[in-house]
Amino acid sequence: KNEVEQSPQNLTAQEGEFITINCSYSVGISALHWLQQHPGGGIVSLFMLSSGKKKHGRLIATINIQEKHSSLHITASHPRDSAVYICAVRFSGTYKYIFGTGTRLKVLA
Amino acid sequence: DTGVSQDPRHKITKRGQNVTFRCDPISEHNRLYWYRQTLGQGPEFLTYFQNEAQLEKSRLLSDRFSAERPKGSFSTLEIQRTEQGDSAMYLCASSSTSGGSLSSYEQYFGPGTRLTVT
Repeated sequence: KNEVEQSPQNLTAQEGEFITINCSYSVGISALHWLQQHPGGGIVSLFMLSSGKKKHGRLIATINIQEKHSSLHITASHPRDSAVYICAVRFSGTYKYIFGTGTRLKVLA
Repeated sequence: DTGVSQDPRHKITKRGQNVTFRCDPISEHNRLYWYRQTLGQGPEFLTYFQNEAQLEKSRLLSDRFSAERPKGSFSTLEIQRTEQGDSAMYLCASSSTSGGSLSSYEQYFGPGTRLTVT
């Protein structure tokens, strides 16, 4: 069982829809990272979280430390949001990050 | 451009050959990570450097893999006697210990080196 679980694995939405991607992890963390990966491999950092909520444009990320769960929301989705969204956690007491398998999002015009 | 750079971007090699990849992190970043990503999977941690010290290595990093960061700036990842199972995207990321505790965790990724072993 992966220490970081994402859901759904694949998601197709119509333009304008509100999208939620979930990430659950198994033990205490020092930080959680949401990343976006486009075809061709480039990875872009979206958010770093250790508590609460962050917002950047149409993207919102939340984390619930007690429930070991984070969500990434996209409001008013657009075809250019189509990408793989990856959750990565840094577990307490370690330097390394463990990544989820990613959520492949496709937004249709 | 002051982002993380990796060289080469693509490498095709025959089974049994040695390959070496280079990563140049953002200049003021003292932390450097290597990851491997196979198709349809998230990146897997390989190793971590703080300055020139290699502080953590994954069990995935077999004896055929070695990484160095001799002067605490660029890093190299060498794979000896490549196998077809080594075919993957090799990603490098860097971060800084300055700027507050949370921002120091944020990683900036390079474009990756795609290795194909035939």
